[in-house]
Amino acid sequence: DGGITQSPKYLFRKEGQNVTLSCEQNLNHDAMYWYRQDPGQGLRLIYYSQIVNDFQKGDIAEGYSVSREKKESFPLTVTSAQKNPTAFYLCASRGRDDPREQYFGPGTRLTVT
Amino acid sequence: GENVEQHPSTLSVQEGDSAVIKCTYSDSASNYFPWYKQELGKGPQLIIDIRSNVGEKKDQRIAVTLNKTAKHFSLHITETQPEDSAVYFCAASRFVNTGNQFYFGTGTSLTVIP
Repeated sequence: DGGITQSPKYLFRKEGQNVTLSCEQNLNHDAMYWYRQDPGQGLRLIYYSQIVNDFQKGDIAEGYSVSREKKESFPLTVTSAQKNPTAFYLCASRGRDDPREQYFGPGTRLTVT
Repeated sequence: GENVEQHPSTLSVQEGDSAVIKCTYSDSASNYFPWYKQELGKGPQLIIDIRSNVGEKKDQRIAVTLNKTAKHFSLHITETQPEDSAVYFCAASRFVNTGNQFYFGTGTSLTVIP
């Protein structure tokens, strides 16, 4: 069963703590993306990676960090420097076979209090 | 960078009626325009897309039109059904390789009233 998995679905953290969101794909896709979604706003790009061991900042990278040590995995760390971390986080990937289409994971809702 | 605007933010239609959602973009180099449907608590799913060398594309009850000159594109849903209720996002991208960015509109919450 191919696809993108994100875990956990809901995550709660205290302010000042770093937290890492998981994203795994078994689609053999090269490119992976992290988006943040807030009510009434579109998806905003945090980071993206075109290939293993390489990644670029998106429009709202401040307070976030990523790694891409394996093709299948693209974890996102929300650091204590992120001023407003409570949001719905979406991971996506794209492959060479049909590079038009982004496949999205089910998302992780992070709540920081 | 690219700026995508989407209207309306909310839309209610009676079952069986048509729904139209409009988007504008700013970067004339954008050449790929997908539409996504997002159900509550889930990730967006691609429902239809169009490239800049095409003016219209249809897939059953869903169609997308593109006006490159005016830099706007629209989603048309005919014979709406309650299961069409969701949030719809448009996006624009300069389709060059697998790593290019997508720029999203702010979404339209569609409610189909039975």
